[in-house]
Amino acid sequence: AQRVTQPEKLLSVFKGAPVELKCNYSYSGSPELFWYVQYSRQRLQLLLRHISRESIKGFTADLNKGETSFHLKKPFAQEEDSAMYYCALGPGGYQKVTFGIGTKLQVIP
Amino acid sequence: EAGVTQFPSHSVIEKGQTVTLRCDPISGHDNLYWYRRVMGKEIKFLLHFVKESKQDESGMPNNRFLAERTGGTYSTLKVQPAELEDSGVYFCASSLRTGGNTIYFGEGSWLTVV
Repeated sequence: AQRVTQPEKLLSVFKGAPVELKCNYSYSGSPELFWYVQYSRQRLQLLLRHISRESIKGFTADLNKGETSFHLKKPFAQEEDSAMYYCALGPGGYQKVTFGIGTKLQVIP
Repeated sequence: EAGVTQFPSHSVIEKGQTVTLRCDPISGHDNLYWYRRVMGKEIKFLLHFVKESKQDESGMPNNRFLAERTGGTYSTLKVQPAELEDSGVYFCASSLRTGGNTIYFGEGSWLTVV
């Protein structure tokens, strides 16, 4: 069974502080991992995916298969990063994507 | 290019009534998904269409929910009769057949059953 765990419902950090949003997954096959973000009054949108190995808006995430984790990191938080962040697992192909419960990131000025 | 569009954006209905939500995916996207988020809970998968066929409907809560995608274009999700616990945000999303599994979401349809 696919499962995504985001242990923190709310994460508050000060502007300029490092951010780490935790995500752990459970899947027996080869996973595709994503981070989606929903800013206030906007639709859910893709932030990044592990196979791209890219940095978007200063965020990075590394897939650690040994720890089954895909934590989202940013060295210096900005106020505009405040949003809901969802980790998602998609096996690929025609399989469904499973979401975590989401973590609300609050960046304090 | 137009994104995934959903209608209505908000709906308030009484318990026992019927509501039909509509989703227009991005043109050319074979995959169409319905998800739901109930207040304080995670975004839960409801079902997945590949063109007009139901690929996976394991997330549909019960037989009060009926989804269709006639002709493989837009989709409707009907709730009949609606119950209080059906309140939440219903998201539709679509993705290409190939090129990875990035899915694009609509803005959601907020349903409140009173």
